Amino acid sequence: EIVLTQSPGTLSLSPGERATLSCRASQSVSSSYLAWYQQKPGQAPRLLIYGASSRATGIPDRFSGSGSGTDFTLTISRLEPEDFAVYYCQQYGSSPTFGQGTKVEIK
Amino acid sequence: QVQLVQSGAEVKKPGASVKVSCKASGYTFTSYGISWVRQAPGQGLEWMGWISAYNGNTNYAQKLQGRVTMTTDTSTSTAYMELRSLRSDDTAVYYCARKWGSSGWYDYWGQGTLVTVSS
Repeated sequence: EIVLTQSPGTLSLSPGERATLSCRASQSVSSSYLAWYQQKPGQAPRLLIYGASSRATGIPDRFSGSGSGTDFTLTISRLEPEDFAVYYCQQYGSSPTFGQGTKVEIK
Repeated sequence: QVQLVQSGAEVKKPGASVKVSCKASGYTFTSYGISWVRQAPGQGLEWMGWISAYNGNTNYAQKLQGRVTMTTDTSTSTAYMELRSLRSDDTAVYYCARKWGSSGWYDYWGQGTLVTVSS
């Protein structure tokens, strides 16, 4: 099983600041089968990024994904008030797994 | 528009079974898979497995093998997840999600179904 470790656990930032979230895999993620999801309290997760760097339909371009192999990054270029949430990475190979999440909170 | 609508909350006793439904609309049901993901209170996301709506092939998380069964009814575009021998640590919100391809991301999610296991 591929274990995904996200860091930091919590990111305290102000609106307008840049957020950089990390996701490290215990072994190489094949074909960049890596996705990022956003989840707000009481809501289902929302797909942001797939294939490590492709934005899902309707996702603003302030969200970007990068990385390959075992190291992946989600960047939010300028935080909007609606971006404060928990973010999960997922590898979607044959036995998918999720990271434990990074909470982006208002400083 | 694509929608996945799940059945309502359930309260079960330990040892019982629960069956959650997920009705799909707005797309060709058999062209995608359905995955199931659960989230215990205050915890992260846990992948449970997935089913191909095209041919019924399944792939379950190893820790749930023998307790979980995923099925589909293509005549009603509905997917089902049954979990047996429920324990208190099965208390969670259960989500269905549409899956792209055999190894794909999850682009649409149901609203979630809270299953509470308590004596």
